[in-house]
Amino acid sequence: DAKTTQPPSMDCAEGRAANLPCNHSTISGNEYVYWYRQIHSQGPQYIIHGLKNNETNEMASLIITEDRKSSTLILPHATLRDTAVYYCIVRVTETSGSRLTFGEGTQLTVNP
Amino acid sequence: ETGVTQTPRHLVMGMTNKKSLKCEQHLGHNAMYWYKQSAKKPLELMFVYNFKEQTENNSVPSRFSPECPNSSHLFLHLHTLQPEDSALYLCASSLWGPSEKLFFGSGTQLSVL
Repeated sequence: DAKTTQPPSMDCAEGRAANLPCNHSTISGNEYVYWYRQIHSQGPQYIIHGLKNNETNEMASLIITEDRKSSTLILPHATLRDTAVYYCIVRVTETSGSRLTFGEGTQLTVNP
Repeated sequence: ETGVTQTPRHLVMGMTNKKSLKCEQHLGHNAMYWYKQSAKKPLELMFVYNFKEQTENNSVPSRFSPECPNSSHLFLHLHTLQPEDSALYLCASSLWGPSEKLFFGSGTQLSVL
């Protein structure tokens, strides 16, 4: 699985959009980009994933660059409950289950 | 509520004790996982089960013994642990296949004295 690079921490004002970047310059053509988040003392929570196209769901939007070497997770209107560690993960679309390798992620702090 | 339930939420044990962690999912998934998260470290994958068969053991010491009696239940049996084994132990489940989402439980916070 390709390695990802994320900033260790970010701050965002409540109600504003939070844009979390992720670099994955060694990504292969068959690797998906996944985003999970972990609120303190809880298990990680799936947010969104994509391969080539931009994706949107009720939680967030995922923007993947055309060369697929980086992506951005967008929380359109951040709330205090969005304070968490956000993990960007890439993995091969293989048939051997969802064994995800977590890095250190970005600690997002949403301020009032 | 993710549909994955772990018990107990907290556990304190001595190095000579034997205890078990339990995980249960009611999502119809057929793959289950144990992860370990030590303080200020990334999650580490420990074991993977697919349809009750262990498919991965990431060089985990034998003092950790997993058991998967069926697709809905997963146990982690602990014996003669060390203080450095103190961590948050997370269970997850998914469907077995590419690009499937993991659903995590809330974890068991384990302290080994």
